[in-house]
Amino acid sequence: QQQVKQSPQSLIVQKGGISIINCAYENTAFDYFPWYQQFPGKGPALLIAIRPDVSEKKEGRFTISFNKSAKQFSLHIMDSQPGDSATYFCAAIHSGTYKYIFGTGTRLKVLA
Amino acid sequence: ETGVTQTPRHLVMGMTNKKSLKCEQHLGHNAMYWYKQSAKKPLELMFVYSLEERVENNSVPSRFSPECPNSSHLFLHLHTLQPEDSALYLCASSQGSGGGTDTQYFGPGTRLTVL
Repeated sequence: QQQVKQSPQSLIVQKGGISIINCAYENTAFDYFPWYQQFPGKGPALLIAIRPDVSEKKEGRFTISFNKSAKQFSLHIMDSQPGDSATYFCAAIHSGTYKYIFGTGTRLKVLA
Repeated sequence: ETGVTQTPRHLVMGMTNKKSLKCEQHLGHNAMYWYKQSAKKPLELMFVYSLEERVENNSVPSRFSPECPNSSHLFLHLHTLQPEDSALYLCASSQGSGGGTDTQYFGPGTRLTVL
């Protein structure tokens, strides 16, 4: 119940394409879902986050789609650029607690 | 220095050694965190400090001992580690009291190798 399953493990996309990373959770107590971006040699950085009361959130080229009934959420990167090449982590958080569960990460490579 | 800094960036230690990892945040935040990042595994939250008080300890073995002397500094004291403890140890800080939806700012990590 405490897992967050993330897929795919790795992804290769052409420049200008759409990158899609999926996560699924089990515990319905989770109520905050952030995505992090991590470049080699750096710590993760918050990219975008969503609460389950909305089905979609967009910030620039990055969009989270959220399906509460399916307990799934996904990150879409539109017009993917080589600079987007990084590892992306989803997470599920039970706000008001210190319960943070992370996915295993997706290594994205965008070809120039 | 800005943001969250960690020293050393790389550490190799034997199983009988004692060493410490240091984290410093220059953001004026109230909460600090230690995470363990192992290859092919999810990021694991180890400890949370809020206003210098430990508020979370996620069943971490006692060979890891955190210390938070003030709101800007966080240490992780290591002793009699095992090879499976080899990982990237990340420190983070957040403005609020920790937990929930606070945005966490991560340092670059310390790459630890236990021989």
